[in-house]
Amino acid sequence: GENVGLHLPTLSVQEGDNSIINCAYSNSASDYFIWYKQESGKGPQFIIDIRSNMDKRQGQRVTVLLNKTVKHLSLQIAATQPGDSAVYFCAENEDTGGFKTIFGAGTRLFVKA
Amino acid sequence: NAGVMQNPRHLVRRRGQEARLRCSPMKGHSHVYWYRQLPEEGLKFMVYLQKENIIDESGMPKERFSAEFPKEGPSILRIQQVVRGDSAAYFCASSPSWDRKANEQYFGPGTRLTVT
Repeated sequence: GENVGLHLPTLSVQEGDNSIINCAYSNSASDYFIWYKQESGKGPQFIIDIRSNMDKRQGQRVTVLLNKTVKHLSLQIAATQPGDSAVYFCAENEDTGGFKTIFGAGTRLFVKA
Repeated sequence: NAGVMQNPRHLVRRRGQEARLRCSPMKGHSHVYWYRQLPEEGLKFMVYLQKENIIDESGMPKERFSAEFPKEGPSILRIQQVVRGDSAAYFCASSPSWDRKANEQYFGPGTRLTVT
């Protein structure tokens, strides 16, 4: 479901530690997943994506894991830095012939120096 | 290469007035998407347009909202007779094509609409 009207879940980590942000998606037909980072007052910024034929994909300091069995997605950030503080959204997309990206509710990441 | 441009960044309207939000996609991008974001929530898809065509408007409210992306000029999201519930951040994104292998949407900074 959607967290309408609720505060965002928050993750607080120490600088230098690894962060893991989790996301449950809703549509079994979704075959493409994206993680976005949104800083205060700005638009979402693409971080990393993964297709449903993969279960892991690595970028620079970030790794996305996909578990289709339980419809779960996670974003791992290595050696978290203060600049990583933001709201992180997972998004899902299915090839229905049209286009619609469904965003999750988001997780706020605080990095303590 | 300039990113996605949106203007105005902040817009205040009284109830009953019209709001016009503009989005200029990145150079070379012909696909535009509009999203709405309420505080502490994720983005909600509204509409997907190509030049002169509305491809998917399944997220648009049935009344008062319309969108266009003319052959020349920016994409416009128009909200007629605004109500307080329309207060939100409206984001535009663009992509170079409907190529799901690439499928990167570049977002603009958003327009924050406040209805008083």
